[in-house]
Amino acid sequence: QSVLTQPPSVSGAPGQRVTISCTGSSSNIGAGYDVHWYQQLPGTAPKLLIFGNNNRPSGVPDRFSASKSGASASLAITGLQAEDEADYYCQSYDNSLSASVFGGGTKLTVL
Amino acid sequence: QVQLQESGPGLVKPSETLSLTCAVSGGSIRRYFWSWIRQPPGGGLEWIGYIYYSGNTNYNPSLKSRATISVDTSKSQFSLTLSSVTAADTAMYYCARLNWNDDPYFDYWGQGTLVAVSS
Repeated sequence: QSVLTQPPSVSGAPGQRVTISCTGSSSNIGAGYDVHWYQQLPGTAPKLLIFGNNNRPSGVPDRFSASKSGASASLAITGLQAEDEADYYCQSYDNSLSASVFGGGTKLTVL
Repeated sequence: QVQLQESGPGLVKPSETLSLTCAVSGGSIRRYFWSWIRQPPGGGLEWIGYIYYSGNTNYNPSLKSRATISVDTSKSQFSLTLSSVTAADTAMYYCARLNWNDDPYFDYWGQGTLVAVSS
């Protein structure tokens, strides 16, 4: 069981908008810690996609955005493209564990 | 551009010790935190621990008694040892830089190295 909860899978057609949720608790997201998102393309290492709740590293398209509210966060992808098919992970810090914690990951399928 | 490269044996016997090294290039190892993360086959990501370039460490409570991370700034590398391994430790092991300006996140990752625990 992951500390942060994500849906196992989401899907969408090219051009559509999809969202991926990430639910935590009062010891992590709900305590005010930032949420970060990673994209893992098939057979590759995870790559930082969003940091500090909604900041994109250089090179990440603005089709990717994120938000946080209370003990939850979400990643939104607009104008879905075939190349977006990947696993997506949220990550935060948990003060009861004194550890960085990840969500279980969400597999995005582009139909 | 910071680059990280993991190295180490791909096969470890049960009850033995897993040892991996991560070489850092393209940037200084100093003034940063460095971390190990693993991913079992078909599974999610699990943070193992981190080390600051000065040597301070912190570990995932679930692994704390078995994991040790060390750093060699002269060689610009850091290492992981995991003792008393079992089949449950079979995973892809990634090293990553931990950016801790505000809340910690992993901004650079190695390509990963697959470690299987089997006799």
